[in-house]
Amino acid sequence: AQSVTQPDIHITVSEGASLELRCNYSYGATPYLFWYVQSPGQGLQLLLKYFSGDTLVQGIKGFEAEFKRSQSSFNLRKPSVHWSDAAEYFCAVGAGGATNKLIFGTGTLLAVQP
Amino acid sequence: DAGVIQSPRHEVTEMGQEVTLRCKPISGHNSLFWYRQTMMRGLELLIYFNNNVPIDDSGMPEDRFSAKMPNASFSTLKIQPSEPRDSAVYFCATSRDGPYNEQFFGPGTRLTVL
Repeated sequence: AQSVTQPDIHITVSEGASLELRCNYSYGATPYLFWYVQSPGQGLQLLLKYFSGDTLVQGIKGFEAEFKRSQSSFNLRKPSVHWSDAAEYFCAVGAGGATNKLIFGTGTLLAVQP
Repeated sequence: DAGVIQSPRHEVTEMGQEVTLRCKPISGHNSLFWYRQTMMRGLELLIYFNNNVPIDDSGMPEDRFSAKMPNASFSTLKIQPSEPRDSAVYFCATSRDGPYNEQFFGPGTRLTVL
């Protein structure tokens, strides 16, 4: 069955530092992959998605992610973090099959130090 | 557009009572999703509709939960009878044509069952 693992429950970075959030997936074919962000007290918002083609995907708010088939990974990166990036980040994979629903990871909570 | 509208935003009820959560999708979006978010289980898809028809309800916990989408502008999620373990944040999300297109999340309903 398809699954998503986000190994880091909580990460703290300093403002201006670079960021990488890890995501590993389990899927037999080429997956559809997504990153969503949830600010406190709000619903989720799509940052970026990968379906096919260029393995480096650009998203909103200066985020990017790289699909690496050999490592079954889809890590999210940002070169310089802003205090407003403090939020919870969810990786998701398309489950395929008859319904194509999304399977979400457990999330990584990002704290940003001044 | 006002985005996905959910009501109520907060609901506190006693065990055994009926609870009805409501969702108004973004105009033109034909896919609607109900999610439940808890600390223990993360973000779970309960059910999703496409063109008002339930496509996948495998995530509905048990018969106490039911969801309807009588038209393109309205959906309800009902819990009867409610139990303390149903306490969670319930999100409604909508998209154009399925889960792999960007899902727009509502602000959620925080349900507390005493």
